[in-house]
Amino acid sequence: LAKTTQPISMDSYEGQEVNITCSHNNIATNDYITWYQQFPSQGPRFIIQGYKTKVTNEVASLFIPADRKSSTLSLPRVSLSDTAVYYCLVALRRALTFGSGTRLQVQP
Amino acid sequence: DTAVSQTPKYLVTQMGNDKSIKCEQNLGHDTMYWYKQDSKKFLKIMFSYNNKELIINETVPNRFSPKSPDKAHLNLHINSLELGDSAVYFCASSQLAGGPADTQYFGPGTRLTVL
Repeated sequence: LAKTTQPISMDSYEGQEVNITCSHNNIATNDYITWYQQFPSQGPRFIIQGYKTKVTNEVASLFIPADRKSSTLSLPRVSLSDTAVYYCLVALRRALTFGSGTRLQVQP
Repeated sequence: DTAVSQTPKYLVTQMGNDKSIKCEQNLGHDTMYWYKQDSKKFLKIMFSYNNKELIINETVPNRFSPKSPDKAHLNLHINSLELGDSAVYFCASSQLAGGPADTQYFGPGTRLTVL
């Protein structure tokens, strides 16, 4: 079972770039890496998914090194509205528990 | 144009009662899920249905019974509610039956409080 490890919390200021790293040492060959965002009192929301190298969309970038044992979610120029919990997920079907995620607090 | 909807949003009830939570998705997905998020914010899968067939059934008390009348609906019935059942319950759906590249779409959640 691919287990993920993320920092419990991070603090940032508006306008800064935030990088959240997730470790997944025993990722399987065909596993994708998916990140979700959860605001208080809402369900998790898909942010980005990747398999290797770099993926970018309108919300974030995902950097995955060649060994794929970790991944980094990058949020450019965060705003107060980016305050949320961010979950890294590997192998959805086996990731039966999302884990505690990383609580990002953005300050003005 | 809500993608995944749940009713009710809040549910307050007494111990021992039976209650149901309904979920509907209009995304055309084949797979639906129920998750429980406890006070520590861990999100744990409870059940998964693919095209009305149960494919994941985690270690959940048999007081919890999912029912899928069609692939757009997955309801959760809970018998004999206990204090420990208090949590937020999320419904979700996905297209790829939980495959490696699958992504899930979550409903707004139902906050269940058992008194």
